[in-house]
Amino acid sequence: GQNIDQPTEMTATEGAIVQINCTYQTSGFNGLFWYQQHAGEAPTFLSYNVLDGLEEKGRFSSFLSRSKGYSYLLLKELQMKDSASYLCAVPDSNYQLIWGAGTKLIIKP
Amino acid sequence: IAGITQAPTSQILAAGRRMTLRCTQDMRHNAMYWYRQDLGLGLRLIHYSNTAGTTGKGEVPDGYSVSRANTDDFPLTLASAVPSQTSVYFCASSDGQGGADTQYFGPGTRLTVL
Repeated sequence: GQNIDQPTEMTATEGAIVQINCTYQTSGFNGLFWYQQHAGEAPTFLSYNVLDGLEEKGRFSSFLSRSKGYSYLLLKELQMKDSASYLCAVPDSNYQLIWGAGTKLIIKP
Repeated sequence: IAGITQAPTSQILAAGRRMTLRCTQDMRHNAMYWYRQDLGLGLRLIHYSNTAGTTGKGEVPDGYSVSRANTDDFPLTLASAVPSQTSVYFCASSDGQGGADTQYFGPGTRLTVL
């Protein structure tokens, strides 16, 4: 079956770096998504990885290891506005997304 | 361009009542989705539509129905609401015909069933 695990909550300091991990189990693999969701708002797309390795987009980077069923989202130079939940998702065999419960990131000054 | 709109923003509903949540997108996306989001749980897919005229069941379809008469609209109906349907409902769309595409979300509808 499909399963996605993420830490429930993480705390980091403004200006620092934080890594949010996601492990997944799927019967096939069609890529992995990261979304950001601020409290009371809709999820918004951050990244999509389908090949192994690190993809960088400004302060945010996403890493994928297909052999290990593992991904992480790396946030650098943390800002208070980065306080949000970060959702990991993978498509199932019907190409519908299976979502992790999300990691709530708390940024402290 | 509005993207995806949902209505109402929030609703309090008596158990047993019928309710339709509206979703409209102006991006001409083929695929649309309805999710519910509950505290401590990930987004769960209720129903989806890969293209106008077709619909499919997601992970938690019981008690819900959908229709896709045209590309832009994808209403979700609760025929007889129950308290366990209290949740935040998100509509989303994507350009392709499958979930492996980037999905764009509406602002959500917060529904409380008493």
